[in-house]
Amino acid sequence: GNSVTQMEGPVTLSEEAFLTINCTYTATGYPSLFWYVQYPGEGLQLLLKATKADDKGSNKGFEATYRKETTSFHLEKGSVQVSDSAVYFCALSDRNTGFQKLVFGTGTRLLVSP
Amino acid sequence: NAGVMQNPRHLVRRRGQEARLRCSPMKGHSHVYWYRQLPEEGLKFMVYLQKENIIDESGMPKERFSAEFPKEGPSILRIQQVVRGDSAAYFCASSPPLVITDTQYFGPGTRLTVL
Repeated sequence: GNSVTQMEGPVTLSEEAFLTINCTYTATGYPSLFWYVQYPGEGLQLLLKATKADDKGSNKGFEATYRKETTSFHLEKGSVQVSDSAVYFCALSDRNTGFQKLVFGTGTRLLVSP
Repeated sequence: NAGVMQNPRHLVRRRGQEARLRCSPMKGHSHVYWYRQLPEEGLKFMVYLQKENIIDESGMPKERFSAEFPKEGPSILRIQQVVRGDSAAYFCASSPPLVITDTQYFGPGTRLTVL
């Protein structure tokens, strides 16, 4: 079945540091890939997505590239801010199931200090 | 435009009681999804509903759990005779009708604690 594996946290960085959160996936079909972010006390917000191989999703300085050959969708940001502190979830959905089920990784907590 | 609303945000129940979790989708959305997040785990799909229909309940436990999305009013996730293992965060998401979309919009979640 489909699955998502992402690096364990917490990831602790100083402001303006470079961020990478690793995500790899296993899927039988042709998945769409997502990064969601959850700020404290809030619901999940879609951060970015990519729907096919070599697509790059980007938003708010975050980027991730859909790599089919390595089945990866790593999240990167060149310079993090304190306000980026949150939990980040990598997820996929499969067109074989009509995109009805999102499959999530366990989440990675990011802590950014001033 | 209000987002997905869930209430209550926190719910405490004793073992054997019933828990009712409510979800109001975004305005204009008629597809609702429920996910559960157990401690230290990722979100797991439970059920997908459209108005008055359960489309996919493959992630629902076979006993004690039920979901509905009536023609009027919010979607309800009902857990009967709760046990400690039901303690988790329950998230609802919604998406628009009549369009095949891969984007779901999430509510803030209900955190259920079973004593």
